[in-house]
Amino acid sequence: GAGVSQSPSNKVTEKGKDVELRCDPISGHTALYWYRQSLGQGLEFLIYFQGNSAPDKSGLPSDRFSAERTGGSVSTLTIQRTQQEDSAVYLCASSLSGGAQETQYFGPGTRLLVL
Amino acid sequence: SQKIEQNSEALNIQEGKTATLTCNYTNYSPAYLQWYRQDPGRGPVFLLLIRENEKEKRKERLKVTFDTTLKQSLFHITASQPADSATYLCALDRGGSYIPTFGRGTSLIVHP
Repeated sequence: GAGVSQSPSNKVTEKGKDVELRCDPISGHTALYWYRQSLGQGLEFLIYFQGNSAPDKSGLPSDRFSAERTGGSVSTLTIQRTQQEDSAVYLCASSLSGGAQETQYFGPGTRLLVL
Repeated sequence: SQKIEQNSEALNIQEGKTATLTCNYTNYSPAYLQWYRQDPGRGPVFLLLIRENEKEKRKERLKVTFDTTLKQSLFHITASQPADSATYLCALDRGGSYIPTFGRGTSLIVHP
């Protein structure tokens, strides 16, 4: 079956603009994660969705970042008033039910460049 | 909070040798530890998981060890091949959270 897909694969934007990044998880996976990866850095957790529970937003770096997950499937990460330090690869992952030891399946990422 | 240390310098080895990568952690001992492989321009791919009560785990040419006394995991690739060249990330649990903490990864380069 299809893996996790993300769009766009690359995004170049100007400072101050808003951007939306999309993630399509594996069908049937109830848990969805967003991470950010900057050059030479580890994966930085942003937000976690599990079924109908309230999302864990503890990793969002500022109130310019938000995410939603519609119908328990597709998720959109929105960055408002982008800054140059937002430039990074944004990775989405899904897992079957969000168990602590479950394998996470990652998408290819969206490379965001803020000029 | 849990801190993870992976060697930031690339590991260069000759084809056929065993590659050994290190993941050190501070603070509490995690209930589990995972290793992922990441190729340029792609997301990480899960390789192996080892639990705190397991000393060693194997999968084909891969072996992972977990030493809770040393607070260290070693990841071995035997009979390495150029196709094994990638960045390898370790990830630990956050003490009851469903969200693992990832290390920065170590780049492995296998020369033919």
